Amino acid sequence: DIQMTQSPSSLSASVGDRVTITCRASQGIRNDLGWYQQKPGKAPKRLIYAASSLQSGVPSRFSGSGSGTEFTLTISSLQPEDFATYYCLQHNSFPWTFGQGTKVEIK
Amino acid sequence: QVTLRESGPALVKPTQTLTLTCTFSGFSLSTSGMCVSWIRQPPGKALEWLALIDWDDDKYYSTSLKTRLTISKDTSKNQVVLTMTNMDPVDTATYYCARTMVVAALQAFDIWGQGTMVTVSS
Repeated sequence: DIQMTQSPSSLSASVGDRVTITCRASQGIRNDLGWYQQKPGKAPKRLIYAASSLQSGVPSRFSGSGSGTEFTLTISSLQPEDFATYYCLQHNSFPWTFGQGTKVEIK
Repeated sequence: QVTLRESGPALVKPTQTLTLTCTFSGFSLSTSGMCVSWIRQPPGKALEWLALIDWDDDKYYSTSLKTRLTISKDTSKNQVVLTMTNMDPVDTATYYCARTMVVAALQAFDIWGQGTMVTVSS
């Protein structure tokens, strides 16, 4: 199975900060990666697909980059509604695997 | 508009078999490129992918759970069913279904159901 190592597991940031979350795959996955945001008590919501493509309707302050084994999700200017938990998912090969999540909290 | 909705028992006893149904609308699982997955999330923990079924009736499973899982579809009812045998308290989780499309590239989990909480307890 491909392991997805996500870091950090949590972070504290202020509104307006630039935030970067990283996922590393245990083997190359091309750009077969998505990023998901989850708020408490809610289903996850897709932000990014194919590593860097922005889901329709998602604010442009979210961006994704990377290919192969290292990927990043960047929030360019953190907004109050962005405080949530973020997950990466690799779908290059079965079984698909998620990262362990990054909780973004208010500083 | 694409929607998915999970249904099933809220409480099951240890050793019982869990059966969950995902009822969807706005797409057909007989259309080439369409897939539905099940994902779960224990309270306070990370998401875990469980299984996927595609338009061609190909099925894929989590390595650690594959001996306990069966996924199936009823295209005429727009439903996907997941069964999990020999339930244990560690299987207590919210269970989600989500759509995947293979359109030019694979697009995983663009739409999710709201989830259904399952508690395993005697």
